[in-house]
Amino acid sequence: GAVVSQHPSRVICKSGTSVKIECRSLDFQATTMFWYRQFPKKSLMLMATSNEGSKATYEQGVEKDKFLINHASLTLSTLTVTSAHPEDSSFYICSAPPVDTQYFGPGTRLTVL
Amino acid sequence: AQSVAQPEDQVNVAEGNPLTVKCTYSVSGNPYLFWYVQYPNRGLQFLLKYITGDNLVKGSYGFEAEFNKSQTSFHLKKPSALVSDSALYFCAVRIRSSNTGKLIFGQGTTLQVKP
Repeated sequence: GAVVSQHPSRVICKSGTSVKIECRSLDFQATTMFWYRQFPKKSLMLMATSNEGSKATYEQGVEKDKFLINHASLTLSTLTVTSAHPEDSSFYICSAPPVDTQYFGPGTRLTVL
Repeated sequence: AQSVAQPEDQVNVAEGNPLTVKCTYSVSGNPYLFWYVQYPNRGLQFLLKYITGDNLVKGSYGFEAEFNKSQTSFHLKKPSALVSDSALYFCAVRIRSSNTGKLIFGQGTTLQVKP
């Protein structure tokens, strides 16, 4: 299957700082990528759809100023958690669909102290 | 409202026995259906999908799923479970008309295979 990478895999930061997470499609181009958030032992919550060359589409209830998404190229989307707080601690996963199947990155564990 | 339901939080099965993880969906239009597996602290791995054609779909690691339109179900099955199959399983549906490819996920089912 297609390969999607994420970096970093784990990050610990202090409250008030910003954290950037990268999502890359390694063997295909992705005009669309998706960002999810997952709480422990829970399902995935779609946060936003990242669109190459245009603004991201955010799901209802997701603060766009809090979670900044940039899709600058056909292989890279970034999620920046701005002014992170402990409640932002979570597992963040991206995905990209080369054709009709979404392939997921390995996830990023964010811990905000 | 469009939704996917996995009625069991956890399924326990003995190694070597057949396993079934249930999934039902409620969507308008004909769906694309997917199963993913997640190991601890990892992303989701694609197992199989139903787009069209045969109702029985075969996927990775010996898993298969049967699409039943009348019952709006897409249960995941494996004839003989392995301890290494223990993981969190997600059913998902994509609306065919959705050009964004958004998926709706079920709440997940933990599969525990005991030796």
